[in-house]
Amino acid sequence: GAVVSQHPSRVICKSGTSVKIECRSLDFQATTMFWYRQFPKQSLMLMATSNEGSKATYEQGVEKDKFLINHASLTLSTLTVTSAHPEDSSFYICSAIKRGAYNEQFFGPGTRLTVL
Amino acid sequence: GQQVMQIPQYQHVQEGEDFTTYCNSSTTLSNIQWYKQRPGGHPVFLIQLVKSGEVKKQKRLTFQFGEAKKNSSLHITATQTTDVGTYFCAGDSGGSNYKLTFGKGTLLTVNP
Repeated sequence: GAVVSQHPSRVICKSGTSVKIECRSLDFQATTMFWYRQFPKQSLMLMATSNEGSKATYEQGVEKDKFLINHASLTLSTLTVTSAHPEDSSFYICSAIKRGAYNEQFFGPGTRLTVL
Repeated sequence: GQQVMQIPQYQHVQEGEDFTTYCNSSTTLSNIQWYKQRPGGHPVFLIQLVKSGEVKKQKRLTFQFGEAKKNSSLHITATQTTDVGTYFCAGDSGGSNYKLTFGKGTLLTVNP
């Protein structure tokens, strides 16, 4: 299989602060990673596609200046929630594509963000 | 944009009963993938269907891809308590970035 880690698993921050979430592919290289947001008992909403060495591609309605994505290496992508507000509280999950027969996405364990 | 609809949203069954979730895309898909998310966990890949009319089986799970490559289903025979979780279908429209559009998922609960 393939392992994707996320750090931190939980974070609580004050309104107005910035929070950085890391997504790492531990045993494979990932040129493409995805960032999702999931509200309780709801589906995964794709926020952006992160490509190594280039700018992220954001989905419609997602503010690129608020959700900064950096994919500096083949095993690491970061999502920074800038000037976080309570409405940004959510479960953020990353996934990485492992190239192969299925090109399936391997998901990280997610990060629970709570903004007070 | 592409939409993927999934029904039912919830399904509660007695252990031993069968379960089916259905997925319908607004556009023709390159392939469709199914994921399972256990309560409190993250999505885990189950299978990918690529060919029109394809049927794949994994033990008690049967996956089908429609002839038009726009709909799919997952059928579980004789459910067990370990089948509890949310099942998502995810459509790939075939772009070079392998982007998936997820359905809303079906939450399956099983009464022992």
